[in-house]
Amino acid sequence: SSELTQDPAVSVALGQTVRITCQGDSLRSYYASWYQQKPGQAPVLVIYGKNNRPSGIPDRFSGSSSGNTASLTITGAQAEDEADYYCNSRDSSGNPWVVFGGGTKLTVL
Amino acid sequence: QITLKESGPTLVKPTQTLTLTCTFSGFSLSTSGVGVGWIRQPPGKALEWLALIYWDDDKRYSPSLKSRLTITKDTSKNQVVLTMTNMDPVDTATYYCAHDRAVAGTVFDYWGQGTLVTVSS
Repeated sequence: SSELTQDPAVSVALGQTVRITCQGDSLRSYYASWYQQKPGQAPVLVIYGKNNRPSGIPDRFSGSSSGNTASLTITGAQAEDEADYYCNSRDSSGNPWVVFGGGTKLTVL
Repeated sequence: QITLKESGPTLVKPTQTLTLTCTFSGFSLSTSGVGVGWIRQPPGKALEWLALIYWDDDKRYSPSLKSRLTITKDTSKNQVVLTMTNMDPVDTATYYCAHDRAVAGTVFDYWGQGTLVTVSS
């Protein structure tokens, strides 16, 4: 099955822009979805499809994709954005599976 | 308003079978395109997809756990049930169910609060 690879940890200064990436062959065929998870809480969908935000998600969150890499960008990171971020997509090997990335811990300095 | 809630035992013994129920509201699993998935997360580790069931009873399983998993739905009760056989301490995790809007791939747009299952003798 396919895998999705994320950097384990990323940091950003308060108010600056940060990009979190997700790499995998399946991303050549499928969009990634992005989830934010804070300690002790369930994941929350922040980006899906080409670049769609669910209702209630601030517009500082955006998504993009190129080749086998999907990116989640936070423009003007806030303290409350400190969390774990996970990407997911369908498997691209013709199998009807779902894959998640290993997660990225975002620290806002 | 879509809500989901997981229920089941908090403690199971090794080799036992785990049965978890996801009770949802705000949507129907008889509506075309709708799915419900199960995802787990061991303490301090990443999310792991387990299984999915769609409105048309299409069922999908993680290849690494397929032999141990069964997912079913009861549309009249608005419930999805996941069973996992031969539980082991490594299966200790928080188990989540989530609504799949099945748009542009698999998109879990609503999640339950999760239920922590500990496997220990």
